[in-house]
Amino acid sequence: AQKVTQAQTEISVVEKEDVTLDCVYETRDTTYYLFWYKQPPSGELVFLIRRNSFDEQNEISGRYSWNFQKSTSSFNFTITASQVVDSAVYFCALQGARGDTGRRALTFGSGTRLQVQP
Amino acid sequence: DTGVSQDPRHKITKRGQNVTFRCDPISEHNRLYWYRQTLGQGPEFLTYFQNEAQLEKSRLLSDRFSAERPKGSFSTLEIQRTEQGDSAMYLCASSLGSGFTEAFFGQGTRLTVV
Repeated sequence: AQKVTQAQTEISVVEKEDVTLDCVYETRDTTYYLFWYKQPPSGELVFLIRRNSFDEQNEISGRYSWNFQKSTSSFNFTITASQVVDSAVYFCALQGARGDTGRRALTFGSGTRLQVQP
Repeated sequence: DTGVSQDPRHKITKRGQNVTFRCDPISEHNRLYWYRQTLGQGPEFLTYFQNEAQLEKSRLLSDRFSAERPKGSFSTLEIQRTEQGDSAMYLCASSLGSGFTEAFFGQGTRLTVV
């Protein structure tokens, strides 16, 4: 079975602080993808990044960066110099080749609510 | 707007009534997914279509739920004899291709069963 754990339910920071959102996953698949999605108050899930299981290079996109460590089954997400507009719920998700959740379906964590105070 | 579109955005229904939701995926996207999201939780997979074929159904999808994608374009999700436990956000997503590709989500239909 596949599982994604986001242990941080809610994080509150002050604008311009850096913040890291943790994600730990479990899967028996050797080939899989990891995703991060953002869900603002409007409700629509917005795709942020996709990483495959064979690429452990860290990635940076503007103020966002991702740290994938296969040895610890973690895919953490850091926002540098946070802004009020970053306030949202962030979901980590896993997509495997098989799994009881369906072919290519995403298994989501329970999300981390980030509140950035001005 | 060329994103995934869902209708209605909100639905309030009485227990026991049937409801139907519609999802229009991004055009040319061959894969379509339905997820359900309850408060404070991540989305949970319900079912998946590749073109018009329904290839997977989650154990979460009871006999009261049925989904169709008749022409491989839009999809409908029907819930019969709604129960209060069906209250949730129903999300539709679409993707293109046969491998690992990112899914694009609609804004969802929020169902409240009273």
